[in-house]
Amino acid sequence: DTGVSQDPRHKITKRGQNVTFRCDPISEHNRLYWYRQTLGQGPEFLTYFQNEAQLEKSRLLSDRFSAERPKGSFSTLEIQRTEQGDSAMYLCASSLLQEESEAFFGQGTRLTVV
Amino acid sequence: GESVGLHLPTLSVQEGDNSIINCAYSNSASDYFIWYKQESGKGPQFIIDIRSNMDKRQGQRVTVLLNKTVKHLSLQIAATQPGDSAVYFCAENRVGNTGKLIFGQGTTLQVKP
Repeated sequence: DTGVSQDPRHKITKRGQNVTFRCDPISEHNRLYWYRQTLGQGPEFLTYFQNEAQLEKSRLLSDRFSAERPKGSFSTLEIQRTEQGDSAMYLCASSLLQEESEAFFGQGTRLTVV
Repeated sequence: GESVGLHLPTLSVQEGDNSIINCAYSNSASDYFIWYKQESGKGPQFIIDIRSNMDKRQGQRVTVLLNKTVKHLSLQIAATQPGDSAVYFCAENRVGNTGKLIFGQGTTLQVKP
């Protein structure tokens, strides 16, 4: 499968615990995005990487959230001290660097904080 | 403010009929639009896109229309099939920007057999 891969698909965690999600983009894609989607809503932008550089972060990304893309390939999104409001689908997407390049989404990681 | 939104949360059509899903945007600076389809438990899937210098673009069974005068975007699906049942989102992507997408709230398309 050469699409965007996310792991795990589902995560249930207790409030206050830390969680980490992984995204493997399409291999030749320079751009990588993280989005969050709650039930009934469209995805909301969280952060963007161009190669290994994190170039933009949304105000939605509180200081409990951190994302990395150390080698410009896979990326991780960590949430520290999870809260119930963090429960959502976390989507990763990747695209080529060219303008108007189609963004391909992964299947997402469904996080439930109990 | 900036928003990309859809007019109706749910659209129910008969199998074989044509579907029209609408979207309004508020920022006249927007210059690139994309329609995504999202099935339950899956990530959004690209359907079709259109640049602001175009009024219409056609794909396989789908057509996107852009009316910049009233800031309106629509997705037409011909001969709707049960497999078209999903949530449809329009998204805005500004050329020269980082490529991040601003999504609307989505329209759920239900296809009745």
